[in-house]
Amino acid sequence: AQKITQTQPGMFVQEKEAVTLDCTYDTSDQSYGLFWYKQPSSGEMIFLIYQGSYDEQNATEGRYSLNFQKARKSANLVISASQLGDSAMYFCAMREGLYGGATNKLIFGTGTLLAVQP
Amino acid sequence: DGGITQSPKYLFRKEGQNVTLSCEQNLNHDAMYWYRQDPGQGLRLIYYSQIVNDFQKGDIAEGYSVSREKKESFPLTVTSAQKNPTAFYLCASSIGLGQGRLNQPQHFGDGTRLSIL
Repeated sequence: AQKITQTQPGMFVQEKEAVTLDCTYDTSDQSYGLFWYKQPSSGEMIFLIYQGSYDEQNATEGRYSLNFQKARKSANLVISASQLGDSAMYFCAMREGLYGGATNKLIFGTGTLLAVQP
Repeated sequence: DGGITQSPKYLFRKEGQNVTLSCEQNLNHDAMYWYRQDPGQGLRLIYYSQIVNDFQKGDIAEGYSVSREKKESFPLTVTSAQKNPTAFYLCASSIGLGQGRLNQPQHFGDGTRLSIL
């Protein structure tokens, strides 16, 4: 069964430094997609970045990048130059099977609470 | 502005009462979803709908019901059979299967916090 594991319940980082949030996944599908979302204390879920299983390049979106290691089944989020506004919960999610019986359902990890310190 | 509107923001339920959470989207998305979030946990899927007049159970559907009579609306009813309804409920939508690139994310509303009186 598909599963997402985020082993860091909480992380601290100094403002302006980079931080890596870990995500490992388990799937038997060859085609899948990985998403990262940010959840501030207000509760809304904000989409950050996507990585497809067949993408050859690591995804990047502004200060966010994905360190995608397919053989290790890991998709770690890297936030560069942390800002105070980055303090939030971060969730890794996987879309089940992209082809042949695909659905749009997402499976979420338990999240990592990031605190950016001034 | 296109988006997803959930109401109310806070909701209280009495014992034995059914309550309905509203979710409306103007993104012209075919697919809609309901998630439950408990403290320290990720999101768990309650129900989802890929198209109007059709919906499927997610991982924790017991004690919940939904309807999808209009493309824009996907209300969730928390029934009295749900013995532990206190949680944060999030509604999401996305383009439907086969309608676009597979990297399209789900878009979320601001959530409804449900508590027991």
